[in-house]
Amino acid sequence: EAGVAQSPRYKIIEKRQSVAFWCNPISGHATLYWYQQILGQGPKLLIQFQNNGVVDDSQLPKDRFSAERLKGVDSTLKIQPAKLEDSAVYLCASSSTGEVNTEAFFGQGTRLTVV
Amino acid sequence: DQQVKQNSPSLSVQEGRISILNCDYTNSMFDYFLWYKKYPAEGPTFLISISSIKDKNEDGRFTVFLNKSAKHLSLHIVPSQPGDSAVYFCAASPGTYKYIFGTGTRLKVLA
Repeated sequence: EAGVAQSPRYKIIEKRQSVAFWCNPISGHATLYWYQQILGQGPKLLIQFQNNGVVDDSQLPKDRFSAERLKGVDSTLKIQPAKLEDSAVYLCASSSTGEVNTEAFFGQGTRLTVV
Repeated sequence: DQQVKQNSPSLSVQEGRISILNCDYTNSMFDYFLWYKKYPAEGPTFLISISSIKDKNEDGRFTVFLNKSAKHLSLHIVPSQPGDSAVYFCAASPGTYKYIFGTGTRLKVLA
């Protein structure tokens, strides 16, 4: 079974530029998550999709971050414009149902550096 | 507001001994807990979970203990192996399929 795929692995941009990350979840998984992990902290949920609908985006900075899940499969997360404090690893995860007792499978993450 | 706390940023243990990683939480509504392990340059991988209706769950060398009255859980690894060296995150959920992660504990198992 293929895992969660993310690209790119690394990205360096200047502040005020825009950037996009891509995620392909495990086939058949209905739930997709985007997490932000700042150095020294645990992953923080940015947005959760159930199929192609948003379940929770309460911690997504909507003035600069946006995300979509195309046809309930792939997802993209965009930052525009980026700030220095956006430097972090962005993790995508998926789970089969999104129920609390099902594990989430994580991708390798995209490490973003904003200079 | 850090609802899930892992107060030990790092831990070193000799190979073959027990590793005990601790996690405290503040929200009494949390009813499901997980531990994830993370190697460098990889995403976290699920390790073990426990529901609030239990106080212990065991899977091979890994056991998670939950003390609801103290709002505390711990992960025991026995015996510890060098391959267990990683960052361990605990996560908690109030039953709304949303997980809140702790800051992680870096475990180093010395050969």
